[in-house]
Amino acid sequence: QSALTQPASVSGSPGQSITISCTGTSSDVGGYKYVSWYQQHPGKVPKLVIYDVSNRPSGVSNRFSGSKSGNTASLTISGLQAEDEADYYCSSYTTSSNMVFGGGTKLTVL
Amino acid sequence: EVQLVESGGGLVQPGGSLRLSCEASGFTFSSRDYWMHWVRQAPGKGLVWVSRINNDGTITTYADSVKGRFTISRDNAKNTVDLQMNSLRDEDTAVYYCARAPFSYYYDSSGYGISGYFDYWGQGTLVTVSS
Repeated sequence: QSALTQPASVSGSPGQSITISCTGTSSDVGGYKYVSWYQQHPGKVPKLVIYDVSNRPSGVSNRFSGSKSGNTASLTISGLQAEDEADYYCSSYTTSSNMVFGGGTKLTVL
Repeated sequence: EVQLVESGGGLVQPGGSLRLSCEASGFTFSSRDYWMHWVRQAPGKGLVWVSRINNDGTITTYADSVKGRFTISRDNAKNTVDLQMNSLRDEDTAVYYCARAPFSYYYDSSGYGISGYFDYWGQGTLVTVSS
């Protein structure tokens, strides 16, 4: 199972919006609604920020939103804040009855 | 409060074995509502899914990279999920996280239950494979 494709890095200024893409195939992202996103600060444990494509867990800021079109899922962070600077990973269920992650995207807040 | 605490990591030589354990608390561990997974992260690298197990231990699946070498199991009396790792390789060096995944109550075309995201993670335990 190949990793999902994410851009290595994205950046934005405080207050701006950014979008991170996550491209898979019809065997994973395109085939299921089970796409999730995780935020990981350096040296910390991953934290769930979006599940089932577009649902936000309790306690996660509404500045985080998710969507999907075909084989590509997206995470959008609006009103960027310094604390959003972190690595972000997407994940999807697959037709192999497994899970797969993206390679990760480093978000820099300028 | 949900807590997952991993243990068992350490330094092991290539070809050796190690058994990781994850102790869960703060939720009904044996509930059909939750599957348990192992996810690893090599130093400076991304997250990689390793294995999963359903609530009663009757269903397990593995990443191709560990199939035949790693075995996941659970003891609901002790609220623990283990990962037995054999024939270890240099590329298995990573922090290993235990994670809880809610069961969706949907099944894929192979009949496996789908647990599509990880809502709680442990702090991780470092496994270093080196001679």
